[in-house]
Amino acid sequence: NAGVTQTPKFRVLKTGQSMTLLCAQDMNHEYMYWYRQDPGMGLRLIHYSVGEGTTAKGEVPDGYNVSRLKKQNFLLGLESAAPSQTSVYFCASSYGLYQPQHFGDGTRLSIL
Amino acid sequence: EDKVVQSPLSLVVHEGDTVTLNCSYEVTNFRSLLWYKQEKKAPTFLFMLTSSGIEKKSGRLSSILDKKELFSILNITATQTGDSAIYLCAVGDGTSYGKLTFGQGTILTVHP
Repeated sequence: NAGVTQTPKFRVLKTGQSMTLLCAQDMNHEYMYWYRQDPGMGLRLIHYSVGEGTTAKGEVPDGYNVSRLKKQNFLLGLESAAPSQTSVYFCASSYGLYQPQHFGDGTRLSIL
Repeated sequence: EDKVVQSPLSLVVHEGDTVTLNCSYEVTNFRSLLWYKQEKKAPTFLFMLTSSGIEKKSGRLSSILDKKELFSILNITATQTGDSAIYLCAVGDGTSYGKLTFGQGTILTVHP
């Protein structure tokens, strides 16, 4: 019962470095989402995908890019990391449009 | 702009107490309201409510929605230390991608 798996779990970057966060789900879900969670601000949507090969911007997309080349994977990229991107990143997926979203365990990212 | 506000932001109780967590919302095109429990890692789904006045129940947890007054409550009876967590409220609207707007969360601490 893997569900939604995120890698890595922790990462420390220097300003200007790039990296990719990987999200994999084994539930055959169509919809996938990337959120960031900051203290006092709840979860905010970065990008989302409604199916393989599709991506779209969410509430806070600046500084991030995504790709969904395979249905089960959703990648989040930071091209040039900034300290403001220090956060906990969560990936989620759902089976249908109005079904509950299921979350991964998160990636704690620190940008120095 | 869609808005979800939870109260209180934090709560400290003793085992055996009953707690009520509140969630109020302003959403253009309401579809559903969801409650999640977040311990150290992934938010885990508790309830999804779509109709007013119908209580959803799971063990010691229950929740109800009032669509006229635009709020929901989550009740936990006979609290246990394992109930200590952040409780997140999210509202789904009728967009084409299942958008969820999250509240800031309520931090519940249950002391033995």
